[in-house]
Amino acid sequence: GAVVSQHPSWVICKSGTSVKIECRSLDFQATTMFWYRQFPKQSLMLMATSNEGSKATYEQGVEKDKFLINHASLTLSTLTVTSAHPEDSSFYICSARGQGGAVETQYFGPGTRLLVL
Amino acid sequence: DAKTTQPNSMESNEEEPVHLPCNHSTISGTDYIHWYRQLPSQGPEYVIHGLTSNVNNRMASLAIAEDRKSSTLILHRATLRDAAVYYCILKEYGNKLVFGAGTILRVKS
Repeated sequence: GAVVSQHPSWVICKSGTSVKIECRSLDFQATTMFWYRQFPKQSLMLMATSNEGSKATYEQGVEKDKFLINHASLTLSTLTVTSAHPEDSSFYICSARGQGGAVETQYFGPGTRLLVL
Repeated sequence: DAKTTQPNSMESNEEEPVHLPCNHSTISGTDYIHWYRQLPSQGPEYVIHGLTSNVNNRMASLAIAEDRKSSTLILHRATLRDAAVYYCILKEYGNKLVFGAGTILRVKS
């Protein structure tokens, strides 16, 4: 299957700092990318959907000024957690979907574990 | 997209087949049935998907009821590496994947 990478795989930061997470589709062009968040022992929660070259669409309850998403190319999307606080500590997972075709599979990255102290 | 109902957890013995059920009584005609799984501390992994007919791939089989109100993911020979959370998700073409609670599959050696 297609490969999606994330960087970094884990990050520890101080409260109040900003953290950027990169998501790359390595062997296909991702017209749409998704960002999910997962707290311990819970399911994945969709945060936002982004299409290349467009502004991201955020799910209800997700602060767009806190979680900045940029999808500048067909292979790269970034999520920036601004002014991170301990409650933002979570497992962040990106997902990418290719363009067109009859098969519409979403491929997921390995996740980024964020710990805010 | 309609909602699915899965058992919270299931247990299986290694080398035996596993049947993971999913109920989706309010499925619409345009909803595809997707299965993903998530191993501990990893991102989800695509398993299989179908619309009306049963589907097979190298990982699993998907059996879809004739009325499409339920489906079953079949792992033909469970291994310890199949221990994961399995998610059954209904999704129309073009829509986003929304995850429910899933089924925790435990595999005993």
